[in-house]
Amino acid sequence: DVKVTQSSRYLVKRTGEKVFLECVQDMDHENMFWYRQDPGLGLRLIYFSYDVKMKEKGDIPEGYSVSREKKERFSLILESASTNQTSMYLCASSPSGGLAGGLMSNEQFFGPGTRLTVL
Amino acid sequence: AQKITQTQPGMFVQEKEAVTLDCTYDTSDPSYGLFWYKQPSSGEMIFLIYQGSYDQQNATEGRYSLNFQKARKSANLVISASQLGDSAMYFCAMSDSSWGKFQFGAGTQVVVTP
Repeated sequence: DVKVTQSSRYLVKRTGEKVFLECVQDMDHENMFWYRQDPGLGLRLIYFSYDVKMKEKGDIPEGYSVSREKKERFSLILESASTNQTSMYLCASSPSGGLAGGLMSNEQFFGPGTRLTVL
Repeated sequence: AQKITQTQPGMFVQEKEAVTLDCTYDTSDPSYGLFWYKQPSSGEMIFLIYQGSYDQQNATEGRYSLNFQKARKSANLVISASQLGDSAMYFCAMSDSSWGKFQFGAGTQVVVTP
């Protein structure tokens, strides 16, 4: 079974702190994604990565950065946490992107989520 | 730009009844995939069903079926014989043909009552 793990289920930080959220997948997937989930807004893509050291902005990248030094690990960084970044953060991975492996291979496998509260 | 719309924020359904969750999408890409996920209160996202834009037949997976109407750009999820364990948030998502990025709808909260 594909397994995607996230470093914490719950996290409480103070405004201005630097926050690291870590995500690890064990199925050699090419693509990894970071989303935030807020009520009424669904999941919104922050950043994604299609290869080691490669990253692309999603729909809401402001205030966030990412790092992918190894294929299995994708980190989300909040350089200076703010209260409006209080949210549920979900990491996902997929075998490939686009048409390369067929559209079904775009299925994303999710981690359990990290509920971040910024005080 | 791609867009996914789920117009039902919440719904109640009685146990053993069928329920239809609406999802409409908008894209100019002829190649795309449509996915439904379930998110129970525990928070994990569970993949339910997939439909490709070129698939001729509606997808089915056990009690889940997808009513795919390409001309109307809709991909409604039908859950037959609802169970109490079906109570959850349900998300419709569309992947694009470039990087397989997903656009998610806002979700529909389903509550199954005895």
